[in-house]
Amino acid sequence: EIVLTQSPVTLSLSPGQRATLSCRASQSISRYLAWYQQKPGQAPRLLIYDASLRATGIPARFSGSGSGTDFTLTISSLEPEDFAVYYCQQRSNWYTFGQGTKLEIK
Amino acid sequence: EVQLVESGGGLVQPGRSLRLSCAPSGFTFFGYELNWVRQAPGKGLEWVSSINTIGDAIYYADSVQGRFTISRDNAKNSLYLQMDSLRAEDTAVYYCARVAVSGYYFYFMDVWGKGTTVTVSS
Repeated sequence: EIVLTQSPVTLSLSPGQRATLSCRASQSISRYLAWYQQKPGQAPRLLIYDASLRATGIPARFSGSGSGTDFTLTISSLEPEDFAVYYCQQRSNWYTFGQGTKLEIK
Repeated sequence: EVQLVESGGGLVQPGRSLRLSCAPSGFTFFGYELNWVRQAPGKGLEWVSSINTIGDAIYYADSVQGRFTISRDNAKNSLYLQMDSLRAEDTAVYYCARVAVSGYYFYFMDVWGKGTTVTVSS
């Protein structure tokens, strides 16, 4: 089973700042990674797939990069609505998710 | 609008059963593989089960294998999760999610329901 490890666990930033979230896979997964955003009491929302492709309707301030074992989700300039928990996901044999990064307002 | 709506959650005693349902709208149900994903209180996301478009390829997480059964009825546009021998650790919000496949054959989930809450407690 491929394990995804996200860091940091919590990221405290202010609106307007740049956020960089990391997801590391225990073995190479090529570019087969997705990112989701989840706000309290809501379902996850797809942000990025194939490591770097934005889903429909996702603002351009969200970008993804990486391949192999190291991946990054970048939010270029944080908006108030971006403070949430972010998960990465892979599917080699089965689906696994990272444990999440909580992006909180500083 | 493309959406999924789960139902069937509730409070159930350990060892008992519960069946969840998921109803889609706004898209061609039978054309998509579907997943159940759960989230225990205060925890992260955990994939539970997958079913392909015609229901002949089914997969389960080890944590539910032998206790949960996923199925679908394309004629009724419905997805189900039969949960037997429930345990306290099955307590979670259960989401159904539509599977999308990229041009690189990467499987991810592009539409999620709002979830239904299952609480297993005596």
